[in-house]
Amino acid sequence: KNQVEQSPQSLIILEGKNCTLQCNYTVSPFSNLRWYKQDTGRGPVSLTIMTFSENTKSNGRYTATLDADTKQSSLHITASQLSDSASYICVVRDNYGQNFVFGPGTRLSVLP
Amino acid sequence: DTAVSQTPKYLVTQMGNDKSIKCEQNLGHDTMYWYKQDSKKFLKIMFSYNNKELIINETVPNRFSPKSPDKAHLNLHINSLELGDSAVYFCASSLTRRNNEQFFGPGTRLTVL
Repeated sequence: KNQVEQSPQSLIILEGKNCTLQCNYTVSPFSNLRWYKQDTGRGPVSLTIMTFSENTKSNGRYTATLDADTKQSSLHITASQLSDSASYICVVRDNYGQNFVFGPGTRLSVLP
Repeated sequence: DTAVSQTPKYLVTQMGNDKSIKCEQNLGHDTMYWYKQDSKKFLKIMFSYNNKELIINETVPNRFSPKSPDKAHLNLHINSLELGDSAVYFCASSLTRRNNEQFFGPGTRLTVL
């Protein structure tokens, strides 16, 4: 069964600190993996997309990694800011292009 | 200009009523989606339309009926509302059915009393 798991479920860090969020998936055959950020009361916004051949991709202070062999991805946030407080959702698409599976999200709280 | 818009933003109604949520995108995208996000914040896809044609229909009660009058609009009609329908409903669109960056609307919070 195609599944996406994320850890931790929630995370609290102090402003300026780094953190790493994890995503494990069983979706097969794999097409791509996307990280979304969802602010409270808003719809998700795409941060980055990883395809099979990509290991690392950065978007400002956000860096995503992908290990297609172990079916794991991580999202690293550097020098966190209060505005990083949000839910981060991992979404994996299969190679048929039509099925995509959402993870449950990690709720990040950045405190001053 | 708002890319994906939904109306209303909040909807409070009694059990048994029928209600509609409207969605419009001005991005020129071919594909539109409806998602339900429950109290645990889990996003679940409900429907997907490509050029007004239904392409994804997950296991959703037939009280939910999407309607796409044109490819820029995908409305969601819900009959005989139940308490369990309370959730935030998100509309989204993507350029094509295979281009999976989805642009989400602001959500409609539905509360059934």
